[in-house]
Amino acid sequence: DIVMTQSPDSLAVSLGERATINCKSSQSVLYSSNNRNYLAWYQQKPGQPPKLLIYWASTRESGVPDRFSGSGSGTDFTLSISSLQAEDVAVYYCQQYYSTPYTFGQGTKLEI
Amino acid sequence: QVQLVQSGAEVKQPGASVKVSCKASGYTFTRYYMHWVRQAPGQGLEWMGLINPSGGSTSNAQKFQGRVTMTRDTSTSTFYMELSSLSSDDTAVYYCARDQSATYGYFGPWGHGTLVTVSS
Repeated sequence: DIVMTQSPDSLAVSLGERATINCKSSQSVLYSSNNRNYLAWYQQKPGQPPKLLIYWASTRESGVPDRFSGSGSGTDFTLSISSLQAEDVAVYYCQQYYSTPYTFGQGTKLEI
Repeated sequence: QVQLVQSGAEVKQPGASVKVSCKASGYTFTRYYMHWVRQAPGQGLEWMGLINPSGGSTSNAQKFQGRVTMTRDTSTSTFYMELSSLSSDDTAVYYCARDQSATYGYFGPWGHGTLVTVSS
């Protein structure tokens, strides 16, 4: 199984500042035949199901604000929030879909 | 719009089975894989498996082999996940989550979740 490890476990950022969350996979999730990274990011607020933010490591889901961006390749990935808003308080998860069983990082709790 | 409506909360005794349903609407039922993901209280997300609604083939995480059964009813556009031999470790919110891209494995619409509590 591919192990996904996020850092940090929790993060406090001031409103309007940049937040950065890291995700590392135990093996590459870059599929060479199509040069795509099989990596997604989700946001989960209390009492709600997760919401897809980013897929293919850097493609923003429709309707997701452009302050959210994803980057990285191979085994190292980053989710950035350029200017933190109050509504961004949540737990963020990375997920690999390179191979089954699909696996998630342990989550990063983002606070103001 | 896409909607995934799950069945209500369940309380089960250890050793029992639970069957959770997920009724889909707003899209072509047979076109998109459906996944099941669970979340224990205060914990992270765990993928359990998927079902191809066109044909009914499944792929489950090894951890749940022999204990989980995923099915679908095309006549009612409903998916089912049955988990047997329950223990307290199975207490969790169970989500159905539709593949956003049809088959790739990242999850777009999610159900609201079904809390399954295993307690004697």
